[in-house]
Amino acid sequence: QVQLQESGPRLVKPSQTLSLTCTVSGGSISSGTYYWSWVRQPAGKGLEWIGRIYTSGSTAYNPSLKSRVTMSVDTSKNQFSLKLRSVTAADTAVYFCARGPYYSGSENSYEAWFDPWGQGTLVSVSS
Amino acid sequence: QSVLTQTPSASGTPGQRVTISCSISSSNVGKNYVYWYQRLPGTAPKLLIYRNNQRPSGVPDRFSGSKSGTSASLAISGLRSEDEADYYCAAWDDSLSGPVFGGGTELTVL
Repeated sequence: QVQLQESGPRLVKPSQTLSLTCTVSGGSISSGTYYWSWVRQPAGKGLEWIGRIYTSGSTAYNPSLKSRVTMSVDTSKNQFSLKLRSVTAADTAVYFCARGPYYSGSENSYEAWFDPWGQGTLVSVSS
Repeated sequence: QSVLTQTPSASGTPGQRVTISCSISSSNVGKNYVYWYQRLPGTAPKLLIYRNNQRPSGVPDRFSGSKSGTSASLAISGLRSEDEADYYCAAWDDSLSGPVFGGGTELTVL
């Protein structure tokens, strides 16, 4: 059973870079044709997709965050990572990593399928 | 304004049937499958319904999903106290080239 676990600093200063890593256990990050994503949830607000990466290194980001986001993957460590630059208080949120989205080759379309998710980590942006 | 709109809260008593709605306001989303996620307090979101009305293995058949046109809904029958959670609808947005989530519905079991 695949499990995901986020790790990284819980407190980041404004204007600095938020860095998180998601470690995949119970299976290889390279097995199957899965994408891997980051999703966040500010307190009292809904879920926001940040971006996704494939094990080839191919990425796609939410346009609203694209200019500040970089995702990478390290298949040897079974991990993928998130960097969010120039953070502000608005970036304070619970950050989740998740397997997904699902890509249907037969229909040439993506679906909002995410399973499983990491437990999430609260990252606060404050001086 | 999210393209997926949910009522912020819902409630019911044990044993009751509750329906949570998700209104889709974009044609770039409306043609795609709707997914539902359950987030119990302090835990990770869990896939509850996929492809509008399909239940993953392990999800009780008390949970059911449907979609018609620009509206989707999640129904929970035989409500239990452990169903108290936040529920989110989600779908792929072709214009965003990414998924969008509803704002979530907080379900209270009275």
